[in-house]
Amino acid sequence: DVVMTQSPVSLPVTPGEPASISCRSSQSLLDSKGYNYLDWYLQKPGQSPQLLIYLASSRASGVPDRFSGSGSGTDFTLKISRVEAEDVGIYYCMQGLHTPRTFGQGTKVEIK
Amino acid sequence: QVHLQESGPGLVKPSETLSLTCTVSGGSISGDYWSWIRQPVGKGLQWIGRIYTSGNTNYDPSLKSRVTMSVDTAKNQFTLRLTSVTAADTAVYYCATGSKHGSGYDYIDSWGQGTLVTVSS
Repeated sequence: DVVMTQSPVSLPVTPGEPASISCRSSQSLLDSKGYNYLDWYLQKPGQSPQLLIYLASSRASGVPDRFSGSGSGTDFTLKISRVEAEDVGIYYCMQGLHTPRTFGQGTKVEIK
Repeated sequence: QVHLQESGPGLVKPSETLSLTCTVSGGSISGDYWSWIRQPVGKGLQWIGRIYTSGNTNYDPSLKSRVTMSVDTAKNQFTLRLTSVTAADTAVYYCATGSKHGSGYDYIDSWGQGTLVTVSS
């Protein structure tokens, strides 16, 4: 299975400040068409995960533009330009190129 | 966007079979793929597998010998069966579906609320 490794595990943030989460995969997620099959999810406390970013950099419907995704191959980053209080929760990356799909262990974002 | 709702027993005895149903509303189950994902309490997410309405399936190899997924298009439902359960199968189980990108990639963008299944005697 493809191993997804996120860092940091915990991320204390200050509202209004930027934040960044890294995700690395043990195999390339770049397909022959040039797409990176990497998605980002946010699981808010007590809720189901919600899609933020798909194909590494495409923002899902309704997701604020302060969220952005980048990267290719095996190294990916989720950035929040200015953190808001509602952004707290656990962020997961997930690869969708290889079966089974696998998730990172999660990054817990909390307000300082 | 479709609404997904999981249902099934919250308690299953060890060695027995876990069965869950996901009811789809707000759209047709036909012509799409449907997934199951689980999350042990306080832990991360595990993709269990997915089924296309054609019947084609993809399962996590570590669970493949115990997992069966099926679709009932008449009822707009799909189901998960997991046999020979142990305490390690205790988790919140989510059903999910997604959208198809022009590249052919199916990304997961709709989740049910999840249902806790505890394996205990």
